[in-house]
Amino acid sequence: KAGVTQTPRYLIKTRGQQVTLSCSPISGHRSVSWYQQTPGQGLQFLFEYFSETQRNKGNFPGRFSGRQFSNSRSEMNVSTLELGDSALYLCASSLEQLARTDTQYFGPGTRLTVL
Amino acid sequence: AQKVTQAQTEISVVEKEDVTLDCVYETRDTTYYLFWYKQPPSGELVFLIRRNSFDEQNEISGRYSWNFQKSTSSFNFTITASQVVDSAVYFCALSEAAGGYQKVTFGTGTKLQVIP
Repeated sequence: KAGVTQTPRYLIKTRGQQVTLSCSPISGHRSVSWYQQTPGQGLQFLFEYFSETQRNKGNFPGRFSGRQFSNSRSEMNVSTLELGDSALYLCASSLEQLARTDTQYFGPGTRLTVL
Repeated sequence: AQKVTQAQTEISVVEKEDVTLDCVYETRDTTYYLFWYKQPPSGELVFLIRRNSFDEQNEISGRYSWNFQKSTSSFNFTITASQVVDSAVYFCALSEAAGGYQKVTFGTGTKLQVIP
């Protein structure tokens, strides 16, 4: 069974631009979560989607948004990019809604650099 | 408040040495889950183990073993006879229910370097 895939793997943008990252979960997994990883802040939870609905949200500004499609694939969008948004963005999928404390399986991440 | 502490920022060992990575957690819940993930230089977090709060049995998987002690709120990870391929950042994570949803908190990670 294929793992979690994320595209693109690397991205370079300039301040003020917007970016869209994509995540395809493991087949059969219905929950997708997004995390931001930076050297200074570590791994921080962005949001979780289940059945096309955002179920849970971390403490990030409204510039960070996401959505989930009927096939469970998910996208996250960051608008008006700032230098501090440079990070590794990780997507994780789990079988069911995270309230059942399923194990999350992670993708390889998208490395975003904001210049 | 939920918190995971990995006090060891970086550890260097010589190949074939044993190494223990510490993880201490704080939670007010009686039902929770603990995880260990490995992050090699490629970036992907690889799931290693999950343990629920009611199961204090130690676990061994090949060269890996985990020691869960509720009395000290610790979930330590030992690699026996370390190998260069074990070089990675290791994360401990705590998951608990919060308002009907799962809240996952990761530690800051321990970077392990195994020197040949």
